[in-house]
Amino acid sequence: GAVVSQHPSWVICKSGTSVKIECRSLDFQATTMFWYRQFPKQSLMLMATSNEGSKATYEQGVEKDKFLINHASLTLSTLTVTSAHPEDSSFYICSARTSNYNEQFFGPGTRLTVL
Amino acid sequence: GESVGLHLPTLSVQEGDNSIINCAYSNSASDYFIWYKQESGKGPQFIIDIRSNMDKRQGQRVTVLLNKTVKHLSLQIAATQPGDSAVYFCAERVGANNLFFGTGTRLTVIP
Repeated sequence: GAVVSQHPSWVICKSGTSVKIECRSLDFQATTMFWYRQFPKQSLMLMATSNEGSKATYEQGVEKDKFLINHASLTLSTLTVTSAHPEDSSFYICSARTSNYNEQFFGPGTRLTVL
Repeated sequence: GESVGLHLPTLSVQEGDNSIINCAYSNSASDYFIWYKQESGKGPQFIIDIRSNMDKRQGQRVTVLLNKTVKHLSLQIAATQPGDSAVYFCAERVGANNLFFGTGTRLTVIP
């Protein structure tokens, strides 16, 4: 099946710094990419949806100025957590969807720990 | 938004037994459903999907049943193995819209 990669797989940063997470579709073109956040023992919560070349659509309650999403190409989307705080510590998972809407593939996730 | 819930948060089964994980959904307009498996520290892994025009679909050792009348989805795993231990999520979607995930069920396989 299609492969979605994320980098880094884990990151530890100090409070107040910014962290960028990359999401790549390795063998297909992703018309739409999604960013999810998952806290321990909880489900995946959709943060935002982005289409290549367009501004991301954020879910209610997600601060667009804090979680910057760039989807510059059909194979790459980035999520930047700006001025990170300990409460931003979470597991961030990206997902990519092809033009065939039934196919949506998930990345391995990035564990962010903010000290 | 939609509400997708699971009846049981945890499930323990003996190795070799069959497992049944249930999911209730609330949006009658949902027309596509997926089961995902998530191991600790990893992203969700696709298991099987089903469209609303079907009531049963089988894969390798897994079967998904859909009951639209009561808005219920189940995942059956045959001959459960230790490697099946994980958290299982159901997800629903309306058309080309976003996937909404349930709360998850942790399956523990007892050797």
